[in-house]
Formats: sequence, structure tokens, C-alpha cells
Amino acid sequence: DSGVTQTPKHLITATGQRVTLRCSPRSGDLSVYWYQQSLDQGLQFLIQYYNGEERAKGNILERFSAQQFPDLHSELNLSSLELGDSALYFCASSARVATPNEQFFGPGTRLTVL
Amino acid sequence: QKEVEQDPGPLSVPEGAIVSLNCTYSNSAFQYFMWYRQYSRKGPELLMYTYSSGNKEDGRFTAQVDKSSKYISLFIRDSQPSDSATYLCAMSTPSSGNTPLVFGKGTRLSVIA
Repeated sequence: DSGVTQTPKHLITATGQRVTLRCSPRSGDLSVYWYQQSLDQGLQFLIQYYNGEERAKGNILERFSAQQFPDLHSELNLSSLELGDSALYFCASSARVATPNEQFFGPGTRLTVL
Repeated sequence: QKEVEQDPGPLSVPEGAIVSLNCTYSNSAFQYFMWYRQYSRKGPELLMYTYSSGNKEDGRFTAQVDKSSKYISLFIRDSQPSDSATYLCAMSTPSSGNTPLVFGKGTRLSVIA
């Protein structure tokens, strides 16, 4: 158990809908990362937050947004969902923002868009 | 050319074999190298982490980095069926602030009893 929790475990929704994925980092970790994992693309970095502030953006679509709250939990919002958004979404946390920053992953949320 | 290349396998070996998993990369600025293990339907878990070149050993696992060749390896000795998983390499550049990891696509390993 990494100490990172994610809810829900599974999400099934329809195209055009909006969903929110939630992540609680390990106790004491200030940095949160979101990744998308699909079979053809592998694990792709989406966005990073540190202590409430956005620090880095990766391959995140404009339809996606995230935030980190004062209690350090984070939410990833996915809107106008398309079939291609079906994937595993992982949250990771680390104690540091500077390298080396070992990242610890949650169990993921499996999103299915029908 | 992708930044990090990893043979997806699958790789199937008998129990007790020595397994060699590899990644190549193109960004010479990468300094931190990690190996993650991911069981089916689970999140990746950090196995090994090395800085710059050299070897690091942890039990049955050895990580090697050859920066001159831009090539990293993970060796598993005396492989067990419980080692069956997908192994992902990941790497990052030195940074004081923005530290996303760049992952390989993963190699699926099956250790047959």
C-alpha cells in the first residue's frame, strides 16, 4: 500500500459527460501528479501540483483540468468526454518537488466512456 | 523518436532464470532513473532508483545505468512467479521545481513455475 488513495475505483459514463476523479496524497507529501495510462500510449504525465499551485503541465487536454486543495487532496476534472478518454488515471505523490523525487502511485481510477 | 523506448515484450521465462529488462533514451539531460513494477490492475510501485551512471543492487534486483550509451537495465536474479508483472522504466532531469517523470511503455514479464 503506497499510502496514496484514489476514488472512485471504477467509473462508467457516456460521451459528452463530465466526471471528477479524486486523489489523497501520502501523509506529508506536498506534490501531486496526475497520469493517464492507456494500452497504446503507456503512462502519460498530465499535470503536477505542489502545495496548491500548478507546477508543470504535460499532455493534458483543454477539456481536462485539475486543482489541489488546502488539505492537499487533488481533483482531476474531465469534461466533454470522448470514447478515447477511456483509460486508467493515476495519481502519484512525492515529498519533494525538486529531484530526486520518488513518486508513489495510487491504485488508479478506471474510466470507461461508452 | 520517443524520449524513452522500452520493448513491450511479452517476455516469458522459467522460474529461477535471470531476467534482463532494458530501456534506451534520447535525452542526455536525464540524470535520475527509476524502475517501477506494476501488477495487473494496480498502480505502479517504485522498485529501484539510481542517480547518473553506475549500478545499484537491492536483493535480487540490480539496476544499471550507462549514460554514454543512453541505456538502462534492470536485472532480476532467481526470478519467481511473483515477479510476473509489467516493468516500467522512468527518468527525469535535475530540477528544482518541475519534475515529471518520463516513462517507457513497460515490458510485460511472465515467470513460469
